[in-house]
Amino acid sequence: DAKTTQPPSMDCAEGRAANLPCNHSTISGNEYVYWYRQIHSQGPQYIIHGLKNNETNEMASLIITEDRKSSTLILPHATLRDTAVYYCIVRVGGTGNQFYFGTGTSLTVIP
Amino acid sequence: GEEVAQTPKHLVRGEGQKAKLYCAPIKGHSYVFWYQQVLKNEFKFLISFQNENVFDETGMPKERFSAKCLPNSPCSLEIQATKLEDSAVYFCASSQSRDRGLEETQYFGPGTRLLVL
Repeated sequence: DAKTTQPPSMDCAEGRAANLPCNHSTISGNEYVYWYRQIHSQGPQYIIHGLKNNETNEMASLIITEDRKSSTLILPHATLRDTAVYYCIVRVGGTGNQFYFGTGTSLTVIP
Repeated sequence: GEEVAQTPKHLVRGEGQKAKLYCAPIKGHSYVFWYQQVLKNEFKFLISFQNENVFDETGMPKERFSAKCLPNSPCSLEIQATKLEDSAVYFCASSQSRDRGLEETQYFGPGTRLLVL
């Protein structure tokens, strides 16, 4: 059973904010939300993660709802190089625990 | 090294032949993971290691697939008697031990593209 659901595709104008939603309604208290992206068929690239608080780093912001059943990844100023498949992942805390990948959102940044 | 290294980049095997894939984790990382990406967007977890010990093998097919991580050697994933459905990209990832108080982020290698004909 999928732990996350994401829209299959989205478009975003270059320079605008890209907001990528993710539903994880069955998330448990010890599961983190991670976001990765995959450009072409390269290895997944880490973007950001969080447990229950909103997080921000140099790449993106992560907004997690209070009930933790959904989250949004925000790329504040999308560029053409942000065109990729974005994966929302849940994972039980603990270094050796596996990632449960969703099917991802294919984001296309349009000039 | 500073990146996860995977070899070979591409591997072509005839059905029934053996395939062996290698992964060198980032230096100092004690956890290694193998994932299989069959269709374009679908990842399947196969197995994880803590140093040379199997940590979680719940995703490994019971037959034909095996993996190991030995000291001072790259980790390996071996498929005996490959089948057409084994055609996929196999990604390796590594992460640091939580005990060091560092992030548990998994860092992925570039993958090995296996084609079984």
